Amino acid sequence: SQTIHQWPATLVQPVGSPLSLECTVEGTSNPNLYWYRQAAGRGLQLLFYSVGIGQISSEVPQNLSASRPQDRQFILSSKKLLLSDSGFYLCAWRRGQALYEQYFGPGTRLTVT
Amino acid sequence: AQSVTQPDIHITVSEGASLELRCNYSYGATPYLFWYVQSPGQGLQLLLKYFSGDTLVQGIKGFEAEFKRSQSSFNLRKPSVHWSDAAEYFCAVGGIGGAQKLVFGQGTRLTINP
Repeated sequence: SQTIHQWPATLVQPVGSPLSLECTVEGTSNPNLYWYRQAAGRGLQLLFYSVGIGQISSEVPQNLSASRPQDRQFILSSKKLLLSDSGFYLCAWRRGQALYEQYFGPGTRLTVT
Repeated sequence: AQSVTQPDIHITVSEGASLELRCNYSYGATPYLFWYVQSPGQGLQLLLKYFSGDTLVQGIKGFEAEFKRSQSSFNLRKPSVHWSDAAEYFCAVGGIGGAQKLVFGQGTRLTINP
């Protein structure tokens, strides 16, 4: 069966510090991968998606970037965090042949202080 | 562009009572519709989906949803809620464009009174 992991689960970082969040998927190959942010009491905002290694699409201009160095690894990064980057970050995957159906990881709670 | 509206931000029901969460979508073609549930501090779990066929779909945890094209709705129902159903519920529609993105509603927070 397929599983999706995210780490760390919780992170507290000062403003101006770098960020690296990791997402990995097991049990499948060539998944489509997605990064979402969920601000407190808000819905989900799609940040990035990837259809393959090295292929990244950005949905909104922001202080963040994404990379996909391996087939089942998706990384969210920032060089300098802002207070507004605080939130709950969710990674999701979709089987290449499946229609729209996404499966989510457990999430990372990021607090920028 | 596709959009999803969940009119109720917060709903409170008593344990054992029936539940209906509303979802309205805007989409030009036959929609692909989903309901997800999110417990506090957790990721989203897929409850059910509608692609085509029978307009009443069954999901996990005793939930069901009915697709009504004439009303552009996909409401989630459960005949008798349990305290463990307290969570945030999100409706989503499959969007157009690359990578088959999902468009989510803002969510409905469900509180269960004992």
